[in-house]
Amino acid sequence: SQQGEEDPQALSIQEGENATMNCSYKTSINNLQWYRQNSGRGLVHLILIRSNEREKHSGRLRVTLDTSKKSSSLLITASRAADTASYFCATDERGGAQKLVFGQGTRLTINP
Amino acid sequence: GAGVSQSPRYKVTKRGQDVALRCDPISGHVSLYWYRQALGQGPEFLTYFNYEAQQDKSGLPNDRFSAERPEGSISTLTIQRTEQRDSAMYRCASSSTFLGEQYFGPGTRLTVT
Repeated sequence: SQQGEEDPQALSIQEGENATMNCSYKTSINNLQWYRQNSGRGLVHLILIRSNEREKHSGRLRVTLDTSKKSSSLLITASRAADTASYFCATDERGGAQKLVFGQGTRLTINP
Repeated sequence: GAGVSQSPRYKVTKRGQDVALRCDPISGHVSLYWYRQALGQGPEFLTYFNYEAQQDKSGLPNDRFSAERPEGSISTLTIQRTEQRDSAMYRCASSSTFLGEQYFGPGTRLTVT
């Protein structure tokens, strides 16, 4: 069963614009992680946000977490063609479970 | 330093054969995870280890699947009597702490004919 659900399933924007992707999950968590995957290749770890954090930044990435709504968002600012990829959120269930449960991902396309 | 490595990168096998997939985690990482990913989907958990101890194997589909990590480093995922439905990308990840970032390897693409 899937814990996280990304929204939208697909997003197409112009280069230079900002892209926002959302993730909702069902249970209480320890952490939420975001990953990028280019064309079926490897999963690249982007950022981890802990359940007691509300916002985290890494370069052009900004992640927010709202545990009361069980949701997270990933913002990519000043998008580039190289940002074209699928983006997944993954959560671990509070209580010590280490396994990650992934959503189906958001397919982001950056048009030049 | 080197990332997570997996071998082979591609494996084609005939139905009924056994296969062994290898994962070499980042040096010093205590936890190792196996996932399976179907095309267009996110990875699905199979099993994980802390050091050499298998902590959770609830994601293994059936008893044809097994995994080991005997010395707390390299891990092998074995699939016996492969079936076509086993065809998928098998991904390994490792983390330096129990609830830390999980870093993924390139995966092994398994095709059962």
